[in-house]
Amino acid sequence: ETGVTQTPRHLVMGMTNKKSLKCEQHLGHNAMYWYKQSAKKPLELMFVYSLEERVENNSVPSRFSPECPNSSHLFLHLHTLQPEDSALYLCASSLTIVDNPNGYTFGSGTRLTVV
Amino acid sequence: AQSVTQLGSHVSVSEGALVLLRCNYSSSVPPYLFWYVQYPNQGLQLLLKYTSAATLVKGINGFEAEFKKSETSFHLTKPSAHMSDAAEYFCAVTHNNAGNMLTFGGGTRLMVKP
Repeated sequence: ETGVTQTPRHLVMGMTNKKSLKCEQHLGHNAMYWYKQSAKKPLELMFVYSLEERVENNSVPSRFSPECPNSSHLFLHLHTLQPEDSALYLCASSLTIVDNPNGYTFGSGTRLTVV
Repeated sequence: AQSVTQLGSHVSVSEGALVLLRCNYSSSVPPYLFWYVQYPNQGLQLLLKYTSAATLVKGINGFEAEFKKSETSFHLTKPSAHMSDAAEYFCAVTHNNAGNMLTFGGGTRLMVKP
């Protein structure tokens, strides 16, 4: 167990569906992240939260909506997705958002397929 | 500004051969450097890290990396590749007291031939 738990591990959804990805950590970390990993592309940072406040949003389409109700939980709400949104979505956490000698702890990811 | 370059998006070695994955960074202040490994359909797992202690860092699964300030490099090595080492490897950099988040390289896919 990595310490960061993502559910579900796999998700297939139609373009008109609404679904949510969940991430949970009990490491005492104050920062949480969503990354998108597509085939043959670098890791893309989507959202960053520090102490439940969004501090970065890297021009992500509005069909992706993050939510951080507390420092242990992070959600990614999905609606009206496109096939090109199919990817591995990774959640990560760290003690703070900057100056981390321990790096980030990643979850196992959610493999999303949009049909 | 900080950045990381991983030379070679794909590296292929024979089982038992030396593994060398290259990482160069750019930084105006002393860095923290990391190597992560990602197996198929898994998240990234920390392999090893450099945080200004010993320049030769040993990690899990027999991997090690050497911080060379003069070459701004942090290459990952393993003396003898195993089939189970086939995965994608990411180098990452951040700093102390510089207000930076982690910056990842583009990744190197390691293939191990029998």
